[in-house]
Amino acid sequence: EVQLVESGGGLVQPGGSLRLSCAASGFTFSDYYMDWVRQAPGKGLEWVARVRNKANGYSTEYGPSAKGRFTISRDDAKNSLYLQMDSLKTEDTAVYYCTRGSRGLNPWGQGTLVTVSS
Amino acid sequence: DIQMTQSPPSLSASVGDRVTITCRASQDISKSLTWFQQEPGKAPKSLIYDASSLQSGAPSKFSGSGSGTDFTLTINSLQPEDFATYYCQQYKAYPYTFGQGTKVEIK
Repeated sequence: EVQLVESGGGLVQPGGSLRLSCAASGFTFSDYYMDWVRQAPGKGLEWVARVRNKANGYSTEYGPSAKGRFTISRDDAKNSLYLQMDSLKTEDTAVYYCTRGSRGLNPWGQGTLVTVSS
Repeated sequence: DIQMTQSPPSLSASVGDRVTITCRASQDISKSLTWFQQEPGKAPKSLIYDASSLQSGAPSKFSGSGSGTDFTLTINSLQPEDFATYYCQQYKAYPYTFGQGTKVEIK
């Protein structure tokens, strides 16, 4: 069974940093592109970032809100995806989902809540 | 960026009804469109990819159609577990963008 399990969320002050992790299992992680998507409380979905696989040079793409502040990365040996978030703002408060870039975005993890507040 | 506009924002329907949700892209995205279902407090689930292909594990009551800029999601024989919010998303160009969602409620 394909599983994605996020961790690392929590409360952080504005201007602070946080690193999210996503542990993948049940598929050959190294073959796939991986993405982060977020959802602010009571709001819609917002795509955050993508990292391609080794065959495509681990290249990355970022959404407008993430560019310059967030860094997506992966460790294929650990079957893990990461999102380093710096210079956090209150508007970054959201549930962050890890998802596999396959046939669209499928499947999704259960999400991890990031709260940016003083 | 490509804007995705869903309609209606919400709808009320009865068990057994057939429901159609529309998604319009601000430019041609070919068939690079996917649909998700999200129940309250849960992660989104993929239903349709490439505009009309049923995702593995998704019930056959869900179907998608369209290409270019206009797309539809149809749900046949609505059941209690189908009352949720539905989102479209384009993956033709970065940044990927979502529609604002359509909430399907019980009449």
